[in-house]
Amino acid sequence: DTGVSQNPRHKITKRGQNVTFRCDPISEHNRLYWYRQTLGQGPEFLTYFQNEAQLEKSRLLSDRFSAERPKGSFSTLEIQRTEQGDSAMYLCASSFEATSRDEQFFGPGTRLTVL
Amino acid sequence: DAKTTQPPSMDCAEGRAANLPCNHSTISGNEYVYWYRQIHSQGPQYIIHGLKNNETNEMASLIITEDRKSSTLILPHATLRDTAVYYCIVRPLMNYGGSQGNLIFGKGTKLSVKP
Repeated sequence: DTGVSQNPRHKITKRGQNVTFRCDPISEHNRLYWYRQTLGQGPEFLTYFQNEAQLEKSRLLSDRFSAERPKGSFSTLEIQRTEQGDSAMYLCASSFEATSRDEQFFGPGTRLTVL
Repeated sequence: DAKTTQPPSMDCAEGRAANLPCNHSTISGNEYVYWYRQIHSQGPQYIIHGLKNNETNEMASLIITEDRKSSTLILPHATLRDTAVYYCIVRPLMNYGGSQGNLIFGKGTKLSVKP
């Protein structure tokens, strides 16, 4: 257990539905990342927050995707009008500024299946 | 795209050293070499990182060639619990040249430790 939690762990939805995932980072970590991982591939970066500010978004993050971190603590990732291609593991990671190691701590992920 | 090349898979006998190679011939002077691993159904886990000197911690050793174009991760006494996908990543220090610190994963090396 890294201290980063994600909920739900599994989500099955029908195409066209909206889904929302939650990430709770390690409490003192000010940086939060979302990644997506499909079968047989390494994780791909989606977006990054420093405190409550969303500072970077990948081109993978289409306009159906939105992420928030309202108080600089937990974060949510919402996917609207889900498509079968959205089926993947969604990983959240957090880190603390000003450590020389700059290590990211990953949660266990939320596995999304779109039918 | 990932700036590293790794063999897709390797086997290792339990109790023996596992040596995982990584090529990063286009690495820049400000970029570090990071290693993460991902055990099945878990998020990635930080192992070690280095710039140009060899590094050792409680998990592994990292050997970086003098020209920095390749490196080797060494697990000195592999156990069955070390079976995982190992990712070699090059990345600049946080905030260098606008970097937000997101990790760019390749496909990694699937290490199978066998009894």
